Amino acid sequence: SQQGEEDPQALSIQEGENATMNCSYKTSINNLQWYRQNSGRGLVHLILIRSNEREKHSGRLRVTLDTSKKSSSLLITASRAADTASYFCGFMTTDSWGKLQFGAGTQVVVTP
Amino acid sequence: DTAVSQTPKYLVTQMGNDKSIKCEQNLGHDTMYWYKQDSKKFLKIMFSYNNKELIINETVPNRFSPKSPDKAHLNLHINSLELGDSAVYFCASSPTRGDTQYFGPGTRLTVL
Repeated sequence: SQQGEEDPQALSIQEGENATMNCSYKTSINNLQWYRQNSGRGLVHLILIRSNEREKHSGRLRVTLDTSKKSSSLLITASRAADTASYFCGFMTTDSWGKLQFGAGTQVVVTP
Repeated sequence: DTAVSQTPKYLVTQMGNDKSIKCEQNLGHDTMYWYKQDSKKFLKIMFSYNNKELIINETVPNRFSPKSPDKAHLNLHINSLELGDSAVYFCASSPTRGDTQYFGPGTRLTVL
């Protein structure tokens, strides 16, 4: 299988700081999607970035994609306690349309 | 109104039993999915249906059988439950195959 890898596994920061997490994959993709999961809840979609895009923004979130390095990063700026959650990247490969493959996520804790 | 709903939220049962989890989406989406999230938070796709047709069927024991009576519903039936089936099962839907996926709240299955 071709699961992604996320780095770091866990991140602890203070409110107001930025949080950056990375995702790597092994093969060509159609798109890559970032999700947030609060404890005991389902995944909530954050941003979808297509293989021909390099950067996307949504509020305090910034996603970059480097297809030459097969990696993506999610930046949360000016973090808040409410950003405490696990963040997952899911990617869709060119030979497996519709199938999102996830890593184990990055657990982010933001302390007030 | 809940977009993707699952019932039950918790399911505790004995080994060897048969159980079902139901999923409904009111988003008008064509594609629905079942994922399994293990104790290490690793999320893996199990099945996907597009307009009631099975399009993704990962290497899942045949004790697991999805059924889609219509495109708004995708149920998961599990026969002869085993300890290793304990996990959180998520249903998701997307407008079409390859789009952003919207997840339900999950069903925590515990097999004793």
